[in-house]
Amino acid sequence: GESVGLHLPTLSVQEGDNSIINCAYSNSASDYFIWYKQESGKGPQFIIDIRSNMDKRQGQRVTVLLNKTVKHLSLQIAATQPGDSAVYFCAENMRGSARQLTFGSGTQLTVLP
Amino acid sequence: DGGITQSPKYLFRKEGQNVTLSCEQNLNHDAMYWYRQDPGQGLRLIYYSQIVNDFQKGDIAEGYSVSREKKESFPLTVTSAQKNPTAFYLCASSKWGNPGTGGTDTQYFGPGTRLTVL
Repeated sequence: GESVGLHLPTLSVQEGDNSIINCAYSNSASDYFIWYKQESGKGPQFIIDIRSNMDKRQGQRVTVLLNKTVKHLSLQIAATQPGDSAVYFCAENMRGSARQLTFGSGTQLTVLP
Repeated sequence: DGGITQSPKYLFRKEGQNVTLSCEQNLNHDAMYWYRQDPGQGLRLIYYSQIVNDFQKGDIAEGYSVSREKKESFPLTVTSAQKNPTAFYLCASSKWGNPGTGGTDTQYFGPGTRLTVL
């Protein structure tokens, strides 16, 4: 079946370094993707989104890259800070689907001092 | 402040009891959703509603019920038929786009309700 997955369940980075969190998707009909950040005990927080007609989108300290050829999505966080420690989810939406988003299982990002 | 609120933050239920989780939004969003999250896992869709007085089952609707009498409110009832209800429940809302042109807009989440069955 179609699914959204992440390559790594955990990622540790040094404070100040850049972080890259990856996501693979298998549904070629997906045309909208979102990254969420979830801190412990809280609801997911929207970070950035991208539509399939784009390859790259930048926000404040974050960049999302979309490679439709290999069905791969990544989230880059520049100058990672302790407050970035959280679980990061990618989610996809299929074109023509009256449903909603399909979520991956998440990657736990830990920022080391 | 605009946003989504959920109450209560923590809820304890005895086996055999029904409980209702509240979700309210003042974002003027048409669509609302309920998800369940278990430890170390992603979000699974329970129910969603595109408009008032209409709702659809998600992937794990068994043992749950919802209503959508007002645009701002989408309460979830966890019934005694739900065999493993202990989980973190998340409500979300979004604008509703035309599925033929791209489906839904970004979903924004509430703070969640942690339900524990005693």
